[in-house]
Amino acid sequence: AQTVTQSQPEMSVQEAETVTLSCTYDTSESDYYLFWYKQPPSRQMILVIRQEAYKQQNATENRFSVNFQKAAKSFSLKISDSQLGDAAMYFCAYRSASVRFGAGTRLTVKP
Amino acid sequence: DTGVSQDPRHKITKRGQNVTFRCDPISEHNRLYWYRQTLGQGPEFLTYFQNEAQLEKSRLLSDRFSAERPKGSFSTLEIQRTEQGDSAMYLCASSLGGGLGQFFGPGTRLTVL
Repeated sequence: AQTVTQSQPEMSVQEAETVTLSCTYDTSESDYYLFWYKQPPSRQMILVIRQEAYKQQNATENRFSVNFQKAAKSFSLKISDSQLGDAAMYFCAYRSASVRFGAGTRLTVKP
Repeated sequence: DTGVSQDPRHKITKRGQNVTFRCDPISEHNRLYWYRQTLGQGPEFLTYFQNEAQLEKSRLLSDRFSAERPKGSFSTLEIQRTEQGDSAMYLCASSLGGGLGQFFGPGTRLTVL
């Protein structure tokens, strides 16, 4: 069964600095998708970035980028130039035939 | 289109009662997902539809849970004979294809007394 592990329950970063959130997953499949979602306090979950497993190039969306290591089954999220609005729970998710989410990392941004 | 909507936003019920939640996805999205989320945890997959067909149902889902998506549009999730352990946020999401990101609704918070 596929599992998604986020080993950092909480992280903090200084405003304007860079932070990396970790995610590892376990699967025997070769074709799948990986996602990072953001859930601000009391607000809806929104998609931050996605990665197709067959693509070697790491996805980038403005200040957000991923480091996808398929052999290591690792999918970390880097947030550059952190802003106060980045404070939220971040969830890593895996999707093939099934959907699995990690337990999340709570990111605090210090002014 | 304003996104995925869910109704009601909050539901308080007594143990043993039945409850039904509704989700309206983004209109052109053919896939619809239901999740359960408890405090401090990630969403737990319950089931998903492609159009009107229910393609996967979590083995964690007891027989008290049932979901429908008639005509491939809105969906309902019913919980029969609610238990206190059913208290959670129930999230609905939709997507246009499996490889694309999901758009989440605001959720329905269920409290079972």
